[in-house]
Amino acid sequence: GENVEQHPSTLSVQEGDSAVIKCTYSDSASNYFPWYKQELGKRPQLIIDIRSNVGEKKDQRIAVTLNKTAKHFSLHITETQPEDSAVYFCAASMGTGTASKLTFGTGTRLQVTL
Amino acid sequence: DARVTQTPRDKVTEMGQEVTMRCQPILGHNTVFWYRQTMMQGLELLAYFRNRAPLDDSGMPKDRFSAEMPDATLATLKIQPSEPRDSAVYFCASGSESRNEQFFGPGTRLTVL
Repeated sequence: GENVEQHPSTLSVQEGDSAVIKCTYSDSASNYFPWYKQELGKRPQLIIDIRSNVGEKKDQRIAVTLNKTAKHFSLHITETQPEDSAVYFCAASMGTGTASKLTFGTGTRLQVTL
Repeated sequence: DARVTQTPRDKVTEMGQEVTMRCQPILGHNTVFWYRQTMMQGLELLAYFRNRAPLDDSGMPKDRFSAEMPDATLATLKIQPSEPRDSAVYFCASGSESRNEQFFGPGTRLTVL
């Protein structure tokens, strides 16, 4: 089955700096890669996703890049703010336009300090 | 703003007791997922349904766990008998057949003493 590895497990940045979280996946058939943000005691919330036919996607301060050949994808957060502090999970699935089971990475705890 | 709902939000029980968790997916979503989150194992899929039919329950311990969808608006996850190692947060998520996105419920925090 699919295996998703995520690094780093913890990341501390100063407010205004950029943060990068990296994930690799094992199954070349995976074609959908969402990122979830989970604040303490809350539900995971989708913040951005990318499909395998796209190399990069941006939404304001958040961007995701995908390298299908190397089977890795990354989350980039620019101009970090204290409210970005949370645990971020990457995931992979083989859905073809349909909600399908997700395999999650182990999470990255991001701390944005003032 | 449509959301997935789950009950109960918190459950404390003693080892050996039956536990039932409920989930109401977003109206119109036909796919329902059950995930379990622990510090050690992270987020792992237990089972999922499409159009109320089970598609994959390979992540679920079959001897004590069971998942059902009695109707399109209700999914249940039962543990009988419960054990301390079942202590975790159980999330339900729903999605549609026309989009990849999944939306998570608030979770049920289960503590088995």
